Amino acid sequence: DSGVTQTPKHLITATGQRVTLRCSPRSGDLSVYWYQQSLDQGLQFLIQYYNGEERAKGNILERFSAQQFPDLHSELNLSSLELGDSALYFCASSPRDMVNQPQHFGDGTRLSIL
Amino acid sequence: EDQVTQSPEALRLQEGESSSLNCSYTVSGLRGLFWYRQDPGKGPEFLFTLYSAGEEKEKERLKATLTKKESFLHITAPKPEDSATYLCAVSVAGGTSYGKLTFGQGTILTVHP
Repeated sequence: DSGVTQTPKHLITATGQRVTLRCSPRSGDLSVYWYQQSLDQGLQFLIQYYNGEERAKGNILERFSAQQFPDLHSELNLSSLELGDSALYFCASSPRDMVNQPQHFGDGTRLSIL
Repeated sequence: EDQVTQSPEALRLQEGESSSLNCSYTVSGLRGLFWYRQDPGKGPEFLFTLYSAGEEKEKERLKATLTKKESFLHITAPKPEDSATYLCAVSVAGGTSYGKLTFGQGTILTVHP
């Protein structure tokens, strides 16, 4: 158990809809990262938050947004969903904002778009 | 652009048959190379961090090494419970993708009893 909690584990919805994925980092971790894992693309970095502030951005679509709250949990919002958004979405956390620290991953949310 | 390539894509071993997984990388300003293990339906589990060429880390049957261009994950006398996908990732210095890990596609390891 990594200590990172993601909810829900599974999400099934339709095209055009909007969903929210939630992540609680390990106790004491200030950085939260979001990744998308698909069969053809592998694990792709989406966005990082550190202590409530956006810190780094990857190839995140404009339809996607995230935020980190004062209690340090984070939410990833996906809107106008398309079939291609079906994937596993992982959250990871680390203690500080340092590139040489390992990130610890949750068990993900599996998003299926019908 | 930072690139991480893992080989082979899949590896099938008999229990006790030692082997190595490769991770080659092309990055500017490597800050850390990370190995993870991922089981089906689970998130990546952290194994090792390597920071500089020549560094080695060991954990049970696994040993990770690092050169200036690649890293190896050596598996000695593997057991069926070592079956998993092994992922390699790198972090680089600075830039707009500060906290980003760039992952390879992974090696699917299957160990038969």
